[in-house]
Amino acid sequence: QVQLQQSGPGLVTPSQTLSLTCAISGDSVSSNLVTWNWIRQSPSRGLEWLGRTYYRSKWSNDYADSVKGRITVNPDTSKNQFSLQLKSVTPEDTAVYYCVRVRGGVFESWGQGSLVTVSS
Amino acid sequence: ETVMTQSPVTLSVSPGERVTLSCRASQSLGSNLAWYQQKPGQSPRLLIYGASTRATGVPARFSGGGSETEFTLTISSLQSEDFAVFYCQQYNHWPWTFGQGTKVEIK
Repeated sequence: QVQLQQSGPGLVTPSQTLSLTCAISGDSVSSNLVTWNWIRQSPSRGLEWLGRTYYRSKWSNDYADSVKGRITVNPDTSKNQFSLQLKSVTPEDTAVYYCVRVRGGVFESWGQGSLVTVSS
Repeated sequence: ETVMTQSPVTLSVSPGERVTLSCRASQSLGSNLAWYQQKPGQSPRLLIYGASTRATGVPARFSGGGSETEFTLTISSLQSEDFAVFYCQQYNHWPWTFGQGTKVEIK
């Protein structure tokens, strides 16, 4: 059974970079059957998909238009994990962030969630 | 982007009652729809995919129906542990999108 364990700071200063990591157990970040995603949840935006990384003979990424240009999702095969970096954050980026394994479009397995507050 | 609209926003129900939640899509999805349950302080949990297939471990009192643009989630007899927020999500059109949720609360 796959488990996703998130880590990273809960407080980020405006204009700085939000960084989170998702450690995978029970599956491989290099699996060609699934994608590895980041979603966030806030009262104003609801559940908002942010981006993903996946391996299909080579590594690829997709990002939501709402954060494109500020977001990077990277795999780390040596540690079997993937990461989220969101640059130039504002208070509107305050949310609970989740890492999620997705198979065929279905959000099968979720991390425990990380509340990230953007504040000075 | 496909817009998912759930109704009602909130449902007040007594334990043991039958509950039906609705989800409408702005364009046709076939059967590419999933339902999730989120309890306070927890991550969402997959309940239903393919519009009507229960995920592993999901009790039989949960059932999904519908196709194309109209979908339902039915809980045949609401248990105390079922009170939560329920979300629908489409995966027929990129990017995948979620509904805003229906909160099922104790009456």
